[in-house]
Amino acid sequence: SYELTQPPSVSVSPGQTATITCSGDALPKQYAYWFQQKPGQAPVLLIYQDTERPSGVPERFSGSSSGTKVTLTISGVQAEDEADYYCQSVDSSNSHYVFGTGTKVTVL
Amino acid sequence: QVQLVQSGAEVQKPGASVKLSCKASGYRFTSHSMHWVRQAPGQGLEWMGIIDHSGVSKYAQKFQDRVILTRDASTSTGYLELGSLTSEDTAFYYCAREDKLGTIDFWGQGTLVTVSS
Repeated sequence: SYELTQPPSVSVSPGQTATITCSGDALPKQYAYWFQQKPGQAPVLLIYQDTERPSGVPERFSGSSSGTKVTLTISGVQAEDEADYYCQSVDSSNSHYVFGTGTKVTVL
Repeated sequence: QVQLVQSGAEVQKPGASVKLSCKASGYRFTSHSMHWVRQAPGQGLEWMGIIDHSGVSKYAQKFQDRVILTRDASTSTGYLELGSLTSEDTAFYYCAREDKLGTIDFWGQGTLVTVSS
């Protein structure tokens, strides 16, 4: 089955930049989406269609895409950004949705 | 504003079935698809299936044989029924709306299902 691979964890100091990658074979053909999930809460949409940011999401969150990899960048990380982050896309072979393995961001 | 309000926590025995609900408000229910996603304790998000805007369902292969997604347009409510429960089905279950461009944009608060003898 189709998989989206993320690093298990990323650590970053406040004010620095955090970069989270998501790799998948179908990413050149399918959009990627990013969600943030804090403990005890439902996921929240951060990025859609690879690079677009919904209204209300801070500008420090941005998305990019290159080949089989998409990237979520958090510029000027704040303590409140400590959370789990998931990418999501679609399996081109059957149009099933898939979530990445998840990345825990720790703010030092 | 868009809201998805899910039913309360459930405790079920192994082998039983559970039916969860997700009541939508703040948008035209029949114009949007609804996804169901689960998350076992300490684990990642797992897509279970989708019921599209016309009422057609599609399921992840892992759940194909024991999950049914339905909806009641008259009450703007989506349902997930999962059968043959085992302890591995203990998880939070989320419903989520898809916008008209394929983005999962709003989530319910989640329902905890505990499977225990």
